[in-house]
Amino acid sequence: AQKITQTQPGMFVQEKEAVTLDCTYDTSDPSYGLFWYKQPSSGEMIFLIYQGSYDQQNATEGRYSLNFQKARKSANLVISASQLGDSAMYFCAMSSLYNNNDMRFGAGTRLTVKP
Amino acid sequence: DSGVTQTPKHLITATGQRVTLRCSPRSGDLSVYWYQQSLDQGLQFLIQYYNGEERAKGNILERFSAQQFPDLHSELNLSSLELGDSALYFCASSPEYRPYEQYFGPGTRLTVT
Repeated sequence: AQKITQTQPGMFVQEKEAVTLDCTYDTSDPSYGLFWYKQPSSGEMIFLIYQGSYDQQNATEGRYSLNFQKARKSANLVISASQLGDSAMYFCAMSSLYNNNDMRFGAGTRLTVKP
Repeated sequence: DSGVTQTPKHLITATGQRVTLRCSPRSGDLSVYWYQQSLDQGLQFLIQYYNGEERAKGNILERFSAQQFPDLHSELNLSSLELGDSALYFCASSPEYRPYEQYFGPGTRLTVT
């Protein structure tokens, strides 16, 4: 069975600094995808970044990068140059590429950016 | 704006009642997913439709059902509502060329009193 673990219920970061949000996963599927979503206080879920299990390079999307360490089964999200608007809940998720509907989410990390 | 629309935004109803939540996927997306987000259970996958056909079921209760219509919009029907059904219900859609990329709607917040 797939499992996603986010061990940081809350994180604080100073504006303009970088922050890493942790995510570990467990799966027996050989092919899978890892995702990060942002949920601001307004409630919508915003897709941030995707990493495929066979991708050789770590995914990057603007200020977001995914530090993918397959052997350690970790997929940490790095946000560079934090902005006040980055304050939100962040969810790590995983799906099997054989069954992309079976998306499992972690419990989330609440990030607060301090001015 | 993800391009996925959901109505209504908020819904307040009493126990035992039945409600229908509506979702319109992004233009061109054939897959629609429904999720429930509650404080105690977190985000859970409920069901997926692809081009009108049910493709997969997750943790969906028997009191809940869904369908996807020929115009690809989808409805989630919740019946015999209980207090524990109070949650944020999301719809998401994904494109054919990148099926792993799910775009979420703004959600419907259901409150059962």
